[in-house]
Amino acid sequence: AQRVTQPEKLLSVFKGAPVELKCNYSYSGSPELFWYVQYSRQRLQLLLRHISRESIKGFTADLNKGETSFHLKKPFAQEEDSAMYYCALLSGAGSYQLTFGKGTKLSVIP
Amino acid sequence: NAGVMQNPRHLVRRRGQEARLRCSPMKGHSHVYWYRQLPEEGLKFMVYLQKENIIDESGMPKERFSAEFPKEGPSILRIQQVVRGDSAAYFCASSPNGVRETEAFFGQGTRLTVV
Repeated sequence: AQRVTQPEKLLSVFKGAPVELKCNYSYSGSPELFWYVQYSRQRLQLLLRHISRESIKGFTADLNKGETSFHLKKPFAQEEDSAMYYCALLSGAGSYQLTFGKGTKLSVIP
Repeated sequence: NAGVMQNPRHLVRRRGQEARLRCSPMKGHSHVYWYRQLPEEGLKFMVYLQKENIIDESGMPKERFSAEFPKEGPSILRIQQVVRGDSAAYFCASSPNGVRETEAFFGQGTRLTVV
């Protein structure tokens, strides 16, 4: 069965410092990985997905199949990045069930 | 487009009562997914519905839980005879096609508290 692990419950960084939110997964096939973000009092929204290889709001994430990781990175944190971040996995062809990690709360200190 | 609308936002029920959670998908979306988030946990898949059909309910508890998505009206997640362990945030998401092809949009959730 697939699993997504986000080892950090809370991550605090200073404004302007680099950010890395860790995500590891376990799945034997070829997964599709996502990062979702939930700002305070707002709904969960898709931040980026690995197949699109985009940079959204300065965030990037690279799928590393060897290390089964999909870490989220940003070179310079902004205060508005403070939010809850969830890594999620979609498994196998024809799948529609997202498997979520427990989330990491990012706090950017001014 | 107002986005996925869930109501109520907060629901308090006594043990043994019924809870009905509603989800109105985005306009033009015919696929609905329900997820549950227990305290300190990630979201867990419960059920996937298309109009008038349950496609996959493998994440639903076998008893007391049911879901529907009628031809007209919102999708309903129904929990009968609630227990304290049902206290959680319940999220609904919708997409025009299956989530693999398109982005699933989430509602703000319903926080159920069983007292």
